[in-house]
Amino acid sequence: KAGVTQTPRYLIKTRGQQVTLSCSPISGHRSVSWYQQTPGQGLQFLFEYFSETQRNKGNFPGRFSGRQFSNSRSEMNVSTLELGDSALYLCASSSTPDRYTDTQYFGPGTRLTVL
Amino acid sequence: AQSVTQPDIHITVSEGASLELRCNYSYGATPYLFWYVQSPGQGLQLLLKYFSGDTLVQGIKGFEAEFKRSQSSFNLRKPSVHWSDAAEYFCAVGAAGGSYIPTFGRGTSLIVHP
Repeated sequence: KAGVTQTPRYLIKTRGQQVTLSCSPISGHRSVSWYQQTPGQGLQFLFEYFSETQRNKGNFPGRFSGRQFSNSRSEMNVSTLELGDSALYLCASSSTPDRYTDTQYFGPGTRLTVL
Repeated sequence: AQSVTQPDIHITVSEGASLELRCNYSYGATPYLFWYVQSPGQGLQLLLKYFSGDTLVQGIKGFEAEFKRSQSSFNLRKPSVHWSDAAEYFCAVGAAGGSYIPTFGRGTSLIVHP
């Protein structure tokens, strides 16, 4: 079974631009979560989607948004990029959002650099 | 608010030696606790998790962790470290129920000497 796929793996943008990152979960998984990892702030939860509905959202500005499609693939969008948005963006999938019974599997991440 | 502290930024051990990585958490109720490992250029991999019951939890790759409520700790241990264990280790805490928003520690970088 293929793992979590994130595209692109690397991305360079300039301040003020917008960016869309894509995540394809493991086949059959319907829950997708996004995380941001930076040297300064560490790992932070962005949001979680299950069956096309956002279930939880971390403490990020409205410039960060996401969505999930009917095939469970997910995208996250960052508008008006700032230098501080440079980070590794990780996607994780699981069958359900239940962390008690279910395990999240992480993708390799998308490395975003904002110049 | 929930928080996680990993006091050690770096830990260096010799191959074959035992390992203990520290994790202290702050949370108002019984937490969900996790340990993850991240190898260079990779995403996270779940090592083990604790929700309730037996306070000694066994995980993958020979790791175990012990939940100590009185000390608000969830330390990760391994009796004999292999060179392939060199990686970044993250402890995380999350709430039970629907509003699962995990909080991660800053991570401990494990260096293994041959």
